[in-house]
Amino acid sequence: DTGVSQDPRHKITKRGQNVTFRCDPISEHNRLYWYRQTLGQGPEFLTYFQNEAQLEKSRLLSDRFSAERPKGSFSTLEIQRTEQGDSAMYLCASSSGGKETQYFGPGTRLLVL
Amino acid sequence: AQKVTQAQTEISVVEKEDVTLDCVYETRDTTYYLFWYKQPPSGELVFLIRRNSFDEQNEISGRYSWNFQKSTSSFNFTITASQVVDSAVYFCALSEEYSNYQLIWGAGTKLIIKP
Repeated sequence: DTGVSQDPRHKITKRGQNVTFRCDPISEHNRLYWYRQTLGQGPEFLTYFQNEAQLEKSRLLSDRFSAERPKGSFSTLEIQRTEQGDSAMYLCASSSGGKETQYFGPGTRLLVL
Repeated sequence: AQKVTQAQTEISVVEKEDVTLDCVYETRDTTYYLFWYKQPPSGELVFLIRRNSFDEQNEISGRYSWNFQKSTSSFNFTITASQVVDSAVYFCALSEEYSNYQLIWGAGTKLIIKP
């Protein structure tokens, strides 16, 4: 099994720009999760998909954030009109079911200048 | 109320010492799962172990061991003969049926192993 992959690994952008991140889960995993992690903190849940359906979104996920998983495989997380407070590590994880272990990708580090 | 408590913010030991990372959890569910993840400086969260609430057997994997005690709601992690490569932030997490098995994270313990 190849693990969860994320692209890009690093992104520097200017305030107000849009950014998009991609996550490729472990093949056959039907659940895909997005988290955000700031320095010195644990991961914060953003949203998750069961196949292509987005089943839950955190209140942290403002209107500027949108996530898709169009064919139930890879997922994208877009942040519109980025703000400096969006600077964080964005982590993706996948699992074979709700009770099952979540396996994480290497993350995308976002820096908004 | 914090559901997963890792009271040790940072621990520093000298290589080859044994070290225990504490994790205390709260849940109303009878069915739940406990996890430990390691996050080295590279940032990737590495899965270490998953335990379900019905299995209180301690687990050993090489230098790593875990002590699950339902009576004290604890799931502690011990590294024996620590090595510099063990330096990382370690997170304990809980998933419970009540919360639709969403991971609830502790704040993490930063472990520094000095040569």
